[in-house]
Amino acid sequence: EVQLVESGGGLIQPGGSLRLSCAASGFTVSRNDVSWVRQAPGKGLEWVSVIDSGAKTKYADSVKGRFTISRDNSKNMVYLQMNSLRAEDTAVYYCARWNDYVRYWGQGSLVTVSS
Amino acid sequence: QAVVTQEPSLTVSPGGTVTLTCGSSTGAVTSGHYPYWFQQKPGQAPRTLIYDTSNKHSWTPARFSGSLLGGEAALTLSGAQPEDEADYYCMLSYSGRSWVFGGGTKLTVL
Repeated sequence: EVQLVESGGGLIQPGGSLRLSCAASGFTVSRNDVSWVRQAPGKGLEWVSVIDSGAKTKYADSVKGRFTISRDNSKNMVYLQMNSLRAEDTAVYYCARWNDYVRYWGQGSLVTVSS
Repeated sequence: QAVVTQEPSLTVSPGGTVTLTCGSSTGAVTSGHYPYWFQQKPGQAPRTLIYDTSNKHSWTPARFSGSLLGGEAALTLSGAQPEDEADYYCMLSYSGRSWVFGGGTKLTVL
């Protein structure tokens, strides 16, 4: 059974850093594309970043230069390193298997950027 | 970055038909944007209903269909059920390596 479980969210001050983790099971991250999608409280969905099976990465303009997506094939994990966090980065962050027609989503991890 | 537009809200009567649309600031939406439609209910993760304009996942109810209509992507719900009340998001692919969501449509079944 395919599952994605996000972790690492929490309360962080503006300007701080946080790393989100996405634990995958039932499939191999190195052979798939995995994206991060976020949703600010009461707002819509925003695609954030993707890492493909070839480890190529892509970012939304809103996070380019501040966020880094990566993966650990040995742990079957995908990460989102978030630096220079701003209040507008406050959101639930979902990871999703992006190839295979976005069939699978995690349940999300809440990141709150506030002093 | 492109802007993807959706109706903020729509209302449909039980058993009725409604069409949600998805436009792009860059021009006509085509099959090359690989339009997706997602359903999200309060407190839940999104669920993918439609991919590549009109293809359905195994869990997508038959009453949902996707198409291209007048330069936009469209999601048509025929025979609305109370459980279809939700937020619906479209998503378009740009140059095959970035994706943009629309602002979402809040669908009320009333």
